[in-house]
Amino acid sequence: GNSVTQMEGPVTLSEEAFLTINCTYTATGYPSLFWYVQYPGEGLQLLLKATKADDKGSNKGFEATYRKETTSFHLEKGSVQVSDSAVYFCALRNNAGNMLTFGGGTRLMVKP
Amino acid sequence: EAQVTQNPRYLITVTGKKLTVTCSQNMNHEYMSWYRQDPGLGLRQIYYSMNVEVTDKGDVPEGYKVSRKEKRNFPLILESPSPNQTSLYFCASRTDRGSEAFFGQGTRLTVV
Repeated sequence: GNSVTQMEGPVTLSEEAFLTINCTYTATGYPSLFWYVQYPGEGLQLLLKATKADDKGSNKGFEATYRKETTSFHLEKGSVQVSDSAVYFCALRNNAGNMLTFGGGTRLMVKP
Repeated sequence: EAQVTQNPRYLITVTGKKLTVTCSQNMNHEYMSWYRQDPGLGLRQIYYSMNVEVTDKGDVPEGYKVSRKEKRNFPLILESPSPNQTSLYFCASRTDRGSEAFFGQGTRLTVV
């Protein structure tokens, strides 16, 4: 079956530091890939997505590139802010479109 | 305002006492899903529905039931809750296979 593996947290950074959260996946066919963010006490919100190989998703300074050769979708941001503190989930959706499979989540803490 | 609404937000109940968590969306979405979120496991899909009267099992359906009698509502039913169903539950909806999923704010369930 499909699976998503992302780095365990928490990741603690100082403001303006560079962020990378690794995500790799196992899937058949050509899944779509997503990053979701969950702020404290809230549901998940879509951060960015990519639907085919070599696509780059970007939003709010965050980027991730769909790398089929390495089955990866790493999340990056050049300069994090305190307001970026949240839990980040990598996810894939199967070809049929009926299943979203999530990684375990990575908690990011940004200190001033 | 487009939203997915879950009720209740918090619930503590005893083993074996039937309960229902409601989910309603106002976006006329066809697809609706239920997930549970547990530490280190990310979100796992319990059930999903592709339209009225069409439901199917996700990854962890045991101990749960759902129904989809109307397009906007997708209640999650625990006929005989057990302590291992203590978790944070999220309902989500989307319009078609290629679109973003919108999540509710979550229901924190404790079964004692």
